[in-house]
Amino acid sequence: QQQVKQSPQSLIVQKGGISIINCAYENTAFDYFPWYQQFPGKGPALLIAIRPDVSEKKEGRFTISFNKSAKQFSLHIMDSQPGDSATYFCAATSSGSARQLTFGSGTQLTVLP
Amino acid sequence: EPEVTQTPSHQVTQMGQEVILRCVPISNHLYFYWYRQILGQKVEFLVSFYNNEISEKSEIFDDQFSVERPDGSNFTLKIRSTKLEDSAMYFCASIAGVDEQYFGPGTRLTVT
Repeated sequence: QQQVKQSPQSLIVQKGGISIINCAYENTAFDYFPWYQQFPGKGPALLIAIRPDVSEKKEGRFTISFNKSAKQFSLHIMDSQPGDSATYFCAATSSGSARQLTFGSGTQLTVLP
Repeated sequence: EPEVTQTPSHQVTQMGQEVILRCVPISNHLYFYWYRQILGQKVEFLVSFYNNEISEKSEIFDDQFSVERPDGSNFTLKIRSTKLEDSAMYFCASIAGVDEQYFGPGTRLTVT
């Protein structure tokens, strides 16, 4: 019940295209859903996050869509650039815990020039 | 911009040896975490620390692991007797009190 399932495992898009990564969760106590970007050899960097009281959040080229009833959320990267090539992790946490993050399995995104 | 720092960046040790991984969280943060990432896998929670005590730990965090905040700035993870399967990236993270959790650059632990 603590799992966060992420797909696809890898994604290849052309420069300028839209990258979409999906996550699903079971634990209804989760109330904060961040996305992290990780480059090889580096720590995860917080990209964007959403709470379940909104259905969408946009920051620049990055948008989170959230479907509370389906217990799913997704990351959309508009106008994808080669510099976006990285591994993306969705995560979730609940206010009833010590705020530790449960991570998805990661998506390796490659944006072709 | 404040950031979480970790030392060393890479630690090589022999099986059975003790290692201490060090972290300096962001100065006004109150909650501290250790996570582990085995090569090519997802990030896994190990332990959280608040108010000078462990607030939660995962099943990975067994008796071989311990954490300490020896002074006002450092936060350490000790592995008493390392095993081959402890080889991983270890990330420290901290949070001010709400949700935005910031990660350090990690320590790559290699157990031979």
